[in-house]
Amino acid sequence: QKEVEQNSGPLSVPEGAIASLNCTYSDRGSQSFFWYRQYSGKSPELIMFIYSNGDKEDGRFTAQLNKASQYVSLLIRDSQPSDSATYLCAVYSGSARQLTFGSGTQLTVLP
Amino acid sequence: EPEVTQTPSHQVTQMGQEVILRCVPISNHLYFYWYRQILGQKVEFLVSFYNNEISEKSEIFDDQFSVERPDGSNFTLKIRSTKLEDSAMYFCASSVIRGSYNEQFFGPGTRLTVL
Repeated sequence: QKEVEQNSGPLSVPEGAIASLNCTYSDRGSQSFFWYRQYSGKSPELIMFIYSNGDKEDGRFTAQLNKASQYVSLLIRDSQPSDSATYLCAVYSGSARQLTFGSGTQLTVLP
Repeated sequence: EPEVTQTPSHQVTQMGQEVILRCVPISNHLYFYWYRQILGQKVEFLVSFYNNEISEKSEIFDDQFSVERPDGSNFTLKIRSTKLEDSAMYFCASSVIRGSYNEQFFGPGTRLTVL
């Protein structure tokens, strides 16, 4: 059973702070890693993806991947109230050819 | 910017009835997917579809489910005899596969309510 684990939160940060979201996965054969944002009642929206160990930056978002530790994280710098949402970690296994989602971390950015 | 579209946005049906959920994937995408999300739970993979056939399916995707690409643009999910536990959001997604670079883009979803 391929598992993706996230702290469910809620995680609250003040506006302008850095929000740190974490994810671990069980399948060592996992090849690609995705962060989706989901507002209440809406569909998942792809915000970041990472395939190689290390950091990947896109605007205020940084994804970090450590395959040895089977750990993925998402940092959101200068958090804004509009960032308040549930953040879903998703892991793709090429052998299974499916995306497995974590249960999500609910982030609240306080004005 | 191209996007995945889904219809209807909300479907209410009686238990035992058949429903068809429709999706129009992004036009140059090659892989299509259905996911469901029961209220308050994880997004769950149902099925993937490539080259007019099922590529992968989960344990959830049993004989009551079927998928079809009836023409060059639509991708449908049929639930033959709905059960109360089928009530969920159903998301269609599409992607362009480049090796393992599988960035999937989701449609807005269809909320299915089975009474």
